[in-house]
Amino acid sequence: DTEVTQTPKHLVMGMTNKKSLKCEQHMGHRAMYWYKQKAKKPPELMFVYSYEKLSINESVPSRFSPECPNSSLLNLHLHALQPEDSALYLCASSTRFSGGASVNTDTQYFGPGTRLTVL
Amino acid sequence: SQQGEEDPQALSIQEGENATMNCSYKTSINNLQWYRQNSGRGLVHLILIRSNEREKHSGRLRVTLDTSKKSSSLLITASRAADTASYFCATAYTGGFKTIFGAGTRLFVKA
Repeated sequence: DTEVTQTPKHLVMGMTNKKSLKCEQHMGHRAMYWYKQKAKKPPELMFVYSYEKLSINESVPSRFSPECPNSSLLNLHLHALQPEDSALYLCASSTRFSGGASVNTDTQYFGPGTRLTVL
Repeated sequence: SQQGEEDPQALSIQEGENATMNCSYKTSINNLQWYRQNSGRGLVHLILIRSNEREKHSGRLRVTLDTSKKSSSLLITASRAADTASYFCATAYTGGFKTIFGAGTRLFVKA
């Protein structure tokens, strides 16, 4: 299985709602990523998990809360979002993540994304 | 910004023609990757070129890297309508810890 799956494909939520995005991979990858992508813009890194531990948080507002329950699953919990948070949320995984002094050179495999609309 | 810059921002060509996209970056890198994204979908990895490589081929794709000019180019030969997508370069900077995506080139191939 060489696929990263994401659910749901589309999500519409109000500013007071609580929802979660889910990402799953069964490639044995030990690094997983959340990206946010606005229309006609490149993906922007939000979080990196390495061996189920949060390695990078790119100063993301606390209304986004990541969780990595096991090596195959990555969740993104959403609460009290703003309309400007509407975007395509992409999950990715790679074999490993070499943070710190080393550099991540591993290819990232992306899921199809969740299109989020905040009303 | 460490983000790679790509040009052109948009490119429209006829099927069968070649498409060339360029990427420039600002600091030393360990490698540079190219990804393709179909509208509203996830990114697909196309090719990775390391800093000690100058050229790489994969099917109809040819990537070059000029570290002295801090630039890379992606050439798609004999383009097809199915090549219509956005193309992003992504760089892993020396001493950095993440991959940075460029602004992207939107390619439209007319049948």
